[in-house]
Amino acid sequence: DAGITQSPRHKVTETGTPVTLRCHQTENHRYMYWYRQDPGHGLRLIHYSYGVKDTDKGEVSDGYSVSRSKTEDFLLTLESATSSQTSVYFCAISPSGSPLVQYFGPGTRLTVT
Amino acid sequence: SQQGEEDPQALSIQEGENATMNCSYKTSINNLQWYRQNSGRGLVHLILIRSNEREKHSGRLRVTLDTSKKSSSLLITASRAADTASYFCATDEGAQKLVFGQGTRLTINP
Repeated sequence: DAGITQSPRHKVTETGTPVTLRCHQTENHRYMYWYRQDPGHGLRLIHYSYGVKDTDKGEVSDGYSVSRSKTEDFLLTLESATSSQTSVYFCAISPSGSPLVQYFGPGTRLTVT
Repeated sequence: SQQGEEDPQALSIQEGENATMNCSYKTSINNLQWYRQNSGRGLVHLILIRSNEREKHSGRLRVTLDTSKKSSSLLITASRAADTASYFCATDEGAQKLVFGQGTRLTINP
């Protein structure tokens, strides 16, 4: 978890409310990723970033948006949270160059009631 | 869609025994990686094997890759209680993304 923090670590929110999760890195890595982890599904990519203001969708991007205005911060926003977005969210970072190895944050457990 | 499919989904062995878990994938890859996740924690990178390699060792870990069968295996020798965790394979198809399997949950019994 060195060099990567996620906040908050736990959050309970109500259906329909907006939620923003923050990923902060001190490694100056180019690539940042948001995943969700659910039982029976492993890790699924939500969005990723390949530079400041450069982002792209992953496998399960519906209902989520992201922003990256600084190299060190990657924000994940649930515009209107739904119960299906109850999950554990992980941020990962990766330096540029090959091969692609990812380093993960500690995770955020989000419960939407 | 999931690229890596792991087998078995769960494995329980006695301390000191070897643990083998398998991963199958569907498309061409640049490399295949294995990650470990302890309960309640983020994933940790263990080992990477490139598409032109057949076997790789790191301490008690041995990884094999068979690109003709699109499969890989992770062997943990002389298991310890601290090896209890979930293990995930991840494939690098390019485009700066990894695709993770659903994982194998390994329990080491004392």
